[in-house]
Amino acid sequence: AQTVTQSQPEMSVQEAETVTLSCTYDTSESDYYLFWYKQPPSRQMILVIRQEAYKQQNATENRFSVNFQKAAKSFSLKISDSQLGDAAMYFCAYRRGGSNYKLTFGKGTLLTVNP
Amino acid sequence: DSGVTQTPKHLITATGQRVTLRCSPRSGDLSVYWYQQSLDQGLQFLIQYYNGEERAKGNILERFSAQQFPDLHSELNLSSLELGDSALYFCASSVGTSASYEQYFGPGTRLTVT
Repeated sequence: AQTVTQSQPEMSVQEAETVTLSCTYDTSESDYYLFWYKQPPSRQMILVIRQEAYKQQNATENRFSVNFQKAAKSFSLKISDSQLGDAAMYFCAYRRGGSNYKLTFGKGTLLTVNP
Repeated sequence: DSGVTQTPKHLITATGQRVTLRCSPRSGDLSVYWYQQSLDQGLQFLIQYYNGEERAKGNILERFSAQQFPDLHSELNLSSLELGDSALYFCASSVGTSASYEQYFGPGTRLTVT
C-alpha cells in the first residue's frame, strides 16, 4: 500500500523568508502524481502544486516550488517570500496513475508565518 | 471557490441517528469522491462515483453508503452514528477518472455526533 509521510508536524517561518516542507512517500508504481494541498483555517482544501512522476523538471507555481527526488521518493515544497496568508495546514498527497485511484494524504504540516 | 458545493455546512446529531450529506460537483465533472477528515485518522478516502456508478471504495464503514444521481449530485448517507464518526466530510469532483485530472474539493460538511 502506498504511504505518505510528513515528518514535520509544525513549522514556522518569518514573513518574507523561505521555508521548505518535507514529504516522503512509498510506492512500487512508476506512474503516479504528487500534490501539495493547503488547508487554511476555513478548512477549504486548496491545490497548491502538482508533479507528474514522469516529468524530471520540478513543478513551480509562482512562489511555490517542489524538489522532486524520484529515486529517494522525496517531494518537498518550498515557499518563497512567505506571506501571512500562507499560514495553513499543508498536506502532501499521492495518487497512482491510471483510473479510479484515490488520493492518499500525509498527516499534514502546520505552517505558522510570523510577522 | 472551487465550484463544488456541499450542504449542510454543519450538522449536529445524536448517536444512533442517520444523516445525509449532499454534494454538487463542478459543472461538467462526472466523477465524485468522498473523503473523511478526523483528528485520529487524518484524511481518508471513502468512495468514488463516476457518472452514477461506483468506481472505487476505500475505508468506508458498512454503516455508510453513497450514491450519485442522474444529475450527478451525490449523497453520502451515514447511519447508526457513533461518536467516532464526528469529522469533516469532503466531497471532491473531477472531469473524469484519470489520475491526470485535478480533484477539486468542496468546503466540507462538519459532522458532530453527541
